[in-house]
Amino acid sequence: AQKVTQAQTEISVVEKEDVTLDCVYETRDTTYYLFWYKQPPSGELVFLIRRNSFDEQNEISGRYSWNFQKSTSSFNFTITASQVVDSAVYFCALSEGRRAGNQFYFGTGTSLTVIP
Amino acid sequence: GAGVSQSPSNKVTEKGKDVELRCDPISGHTALYWYRQSLGQGLEFLIYFQGNSAPDKSGLPSDRFSAERTGGSVSTLTIQRTQQEDSAVYLCASSLGQANTEAFFGQGTRLTVV
Repeated sequence: AQKVTQAQTEISVVEKEDVTLDCVYETRDTTYYLFWYKQPPSGELVFLIRRNSFDEQNEISGRYSWNFQKSTSSFNFTITASQVVDSAVYFCALSEGRRAGNQFYFGTGTSLTVIP
Repeated sequence: GAGVSQSPSNKVTEKGKDVELRCDPISGHTALYWYRQSLGQGLEFLIYFQGNSAPDKSGLPSDRFSAERTGGSVSTLTIQRTQQEDSAVYLCASSLGQANTEAFFGQGTRLTVV
């Protein structure tokens, strides 16, 4: 079974619109960590954020915000006032705390296109 | 170096030939990962090294694929008798090896088998 599900394969929005990328995860661990990565057309994955399972406080960084809800096992990512430079593939990932070291489980990614 | 370094950045090889892809992780990172990304697809886990532990090879797609990590640092992914379906971008990442630490990715090696 997929540990991380990103149901949205592709999303297109017009510049300045807000967009939310969904991420649903599955784990039996009580301690776990969630991540978002951005993969622009250049190809290199860029780390955006890490959250731990004990901290459900939402986080905002500029136009980016993340909504972590344990009740629905979701860690959604919202881009406010989207820009063309936000066009990329976004990956959500999970790391489980009970294991030594950390193995990452990645979702299949959501391709975001921001139309000027 | 400052980041994860992979070489070559591009590799074109003939079907049936062997190839070696290199990954130089961030200094001090105990964990190293190889992923494969086919065109327009997600990340396919291949192999994971953590310190001196036996690597997690559960993602290697066939026995033509192997990887080693020498001295806990540089890693080489070897694909023997390459096939056209091996064409993909091969991504390497490293981390501090704790569950609460993020992985940092290299630029990848684009492999094309003709």
